[in-house]
Amino acid sequence: AAGVIQSPRHLIKEKRETATLKCYPIPRHDTVYWYQQGPGQDPQFLISFYEKMQSDKGSIPDRFSAQQFSDYHSELNMSSLELGDSALYFCASRLTRETIADTQYFGPGTRLTVL
Amino acid sequence: GENVEQHPSTLSVQEGDSAVIKCTYSDSASNYFPWYKQELGKGPQLIIDIRSNVGEKKDQRIAVTLNKTAKHFSLHITETQPEDSAVYFCAATIGTGFQKLVFGTGTRLLVSP
Repeated sequence: AAGVIQSPRHLIKEKRETATLKCYPIPRHDTVYWYQQGPGQDPQFLISFYEKMQSDKGSIPDRFSAQQFSDYHSELNMSSLELGDSALYFCASRLTRETIADTQYFGPGTRLTVL
Repeated sequence: GENVEQHPSTLSVQEGDSAVIKCTYSDSASNYFPWYKQELGKGPQLIIDIRSNVGEKKDQRIAVTLNKTAKHFSLHITETQPEDSAVYFCAATIGTGFQKLVFGTGTRLLVSP
């Protein structure tokens, strides 16, 4: 079965640079969630999109922005990177519109290292 | 907002033993409780979930119980195997509609042969 795809899997950036993370949800899934996981920590919700509209917002810095495109893939844009942004970034997808299913399926993550 | 507490933070068992991980949540409106297994360098993988209208659910060696009154839910793994070794996260959903996940702090399970 198709899973959530994230790219790149690894990314190394310098401080103050910009990064773009991409997420391709499971086919037909209409909702995308972004989570940030620091070393040894639990995933923290950043932002979510349903049908290309922002549906919820968590502890996402103003330096970050995201959007969902017409093909349902999503991109997380991170500017003015700081050392503390080094983390695993996960995307999860869910099929919301047709069922009451609650399950979020996670991608393999992008490991961002800021030097 | 919702807060999910998880215990223990680490759990070491012998192969074949049972393992139990416990979580409590604070928001009585939470209605969906998934459990994820995360192996090193990988994304969280759903292993079992339970909705608030069910008290218990079982899938082979894995079971989850929910006590809505106490706002408490638990993961039970029987006949543990070395490949069960991983970090396990409980979570609860808050809000309606798009239900972001609030995770517990994780339990590192080590199953020794």
